[in-house]
Amino acid sequence: EAQVTQNPRYLITVTGKKLTVTCSQNMNHEYMSWYRQDPGLGLRQIYYSMNVEVTDKGDVPEGYKVSRKEKRNFPLILESPSPNQTSLYFCASRFPWRGTDTQYFGPGTRLTVL
Amino acid sequence: DAKTTQPTSMDCAEGRAANLPCNHSTISGNEYVYWYRQIHSQGPQYIIHGLKNNETNEMASLIITEDRKSSTLILPHATLRDTAVYYCITKAGWAGGTSYGKLTFGQGTILTVHP
Repeated sequence: EAQVTQNPRYLITVTGKKLTVTCSQNMNHEYMSWYRQDPGLGLRQIYYSMNVEVTDKGDVPEGYKVSRKEKRNFPLILESPSPNQTSLYFCASRFPWRGTDTQYFGPGTRLTVL
Repeated sequence: DAKTTQPTSMDCAEGRAANLPCNHSTISGNEYVYWYRQIHSQGPQYIIHGLKNNETNEMASLIITEDRKSSTLILPHATLRDTAVYYCITKAGWAGGTSYGKLTFGQGTILTVHP
């Protein structure tokens, strides 16, 4: 089954404790991205990757890092989480045909930073 | 990407057709219209997209006006499981740079399907 998986699905942590949220897709998609969703602000893109070893900032990259060492994986790293990073996070991957934007989203990771 | 305007909320009776409108009066010629939905904090789900012609798939139909300034998503027989936030998004097919791949989600329409 074609899917995007994220782990963990729920995480409660404390300020400053480094964490990684993993994202994996089994569709051989080149493009992957991370969004965060906050009440009243909708979904905002954090980082994206157009292919292995090619990453770039989205609209709200501060406080986050990413890496893309393999096509299927795109982890989101919070080196020193802060309470304002409490949010619902979604990973997405994109069908590679450049003409349209059919994207597949993971189930989400709900992060709480105390 | 053109700005889209959708009603904040709509209701629909189970088994009836749900017609969700979207206004995108500033859409440019190379922009597609996409519809996604999000069921209660799950990941957004792609529904359908179109450029000029009406489109239909197993989930829904998309009707785009001839001037392309508005569109309607039709769920032909709504079920309780169709209760969700529906997002109408426009995006150029060949957007480059930082727009490549980024979907700009607005506030969407909260569709409530009731028994």
